[in-house]
Amino acid sequence: GAVVSQHPSRVICKSGTSVKIECRSLDFQATTMFWYRQFPKQSLMLMATSNEGSKATYEQGVEKDKFLINHASLTLSTLTVTSAHPEDSSFYICSAPTLAYNEQFFGPGTRLTVL
Amino acid sequence: GQNIDQPTEMTATEGAIVQINCTYQTSGFNGLFWYQQHAGEAPTFLSYNVLDGLEEKGRFSSFLSRSKGYSYLLLKELQMKDSASYLCAVREGGATNKLIFGTGTLLAVQP
Repeated sequence: GAVVSQHPSRVICKSGTSVKIECRSLDFQATTMFWYRQFPKQSLMLMATSNEGSKATYEQGVEKDKFLINHASLTLSTLTVTSAHPEDSSFYICSAPTLAYNEQFFGPGTRLTVL
Repeated sequence: GQNIDQPTEMTATEGAIVQINCTYQTSGFNGLFWYQQHAGEAPTFLSYNVLDGLEEKGRFSSFLSRSKGYSYLLLKELQMKDSASYLCAVREGGATNKLIFGTGTLLAVQP
């Protein structure tokens, strides 16, 4: 089946620094990718929709200047958490749908810890 | 607004059957997904329903009633490894096709 990878799987950073998370579709092209955030014991919250070749669409309440999304190619989307703070510590997961959108493949997730 | 509800927690016995319900009220509907998620891992796809009725896949079955805004996931012959969170998600359709996730149900399978 289709595979989506994320890098890094785990990152610890100091408050105020920026962290970049990559999401790659390994064996299929994804014009759209989704970024989610998940706090402990909670469900996935959609942050934004990443669109290849155009601006990302952010969900209500998500700061676009803080969570920069770039979808530079049909297989790569990046999420940059700028000026990270401890409250940004979370599990970040990306997903990519198939062309028919009848299935979405999730990356393994990135555990971000901001000290 | 968007509202997808599931029970928070459930407990069941190994070898038994458990049904996890999901009710939804969303601005659009173009399919409902069930995912399994173990702690610290990404969700894995279980099932997809877009038409009313029952979809069976091995030990797992999923049912959808669009008129009632209701779905359930049925797990048979429960195994200890089935202890996980089960997430119901609705695909909005239209231009976005984004998935909106429910609150998730933490299932504990006991011996």
